[in-house]
Amino acid sequence: DAGVTQSPTHLIKTRGQHVTLRCSPISGHKSVSWYQQVLGQGPQFIFQYYEKEERGRGNFPDRFSARQFPNYSSELNVNALLLGDSALYLCASSLQGAKGYTFGSGTRLTVV
Amino acid sequence: GQQLNQSPQSMFIQEGEDVSMNCTSSSIFNTWLWYKQDPGEGPVLLIALYKAGELTSNGRLTAQFGITRKDSFLNISASIPSDVGIYFCAVMNYGGSQGNLIFGKGTKLSVKP
Repeated sequence: DAGVTQSPTHLIKTRGQHVTLRCSPISGHKSVSWYQQVLGQGPQFIFQYYEKEERGRGNFPDRFSARQFPNYSSELNVNALLLGDSALYLCASSLQGAKGYTFGSGTRLTVV
Repeated sequence: GQQLNQSPQSMFIQEGEDVSMNCTSSSIFNTWLWYKQDPGEGPVLLIALYKAGELTSNGRLTAQFGITRKDSFLNISASIPSDVGIYFCAVMNYGGSQGNLIFGKGTKLSVKP
């Protein structure tokens, strides 16, 4: 069985640009969450979606947005990129909520 | 915001040594988790603790959920080279409707030169 799939694995963007990151959850998992992991830190919660609705939001600016599609895949969008947005972005899926998370390998975003 | 204090920040191990790390919080949490993250990968769950005072093992790993519900420790016995990596404690936060995880800053395990 495929695990949580994230794409792309790496990308480089310029300050001010926009980026879209994608996540496919484990088959049958209806909850997808996004975390940002800055180098040397633990992951920090950004969003949680369940059944296509936002169920939780962390302390991130409005430049960050996300959505979940009918097939339960998800996109994370970041507008007006800043140098400080450089991080590993992790997607986690579960049947419901934070219990039983499986994390993907992440997307490494570098903003220059 | 809520923070988990994880220590030590880093440590060096020699094969066969026992390793201990801990995590504390100023707030009470009812679920504590320990994850390991290898380079280029996402965190992988090692042990989940749901009951204060609970001691749970997973092979050479043992974790305890503190009786005050404000701390937890993880022990690794007879370490082997593949134990190298970053270990994170995390707690389940039910501020949102379905909960999210709050992570510590991690303990980096490296091999002694």
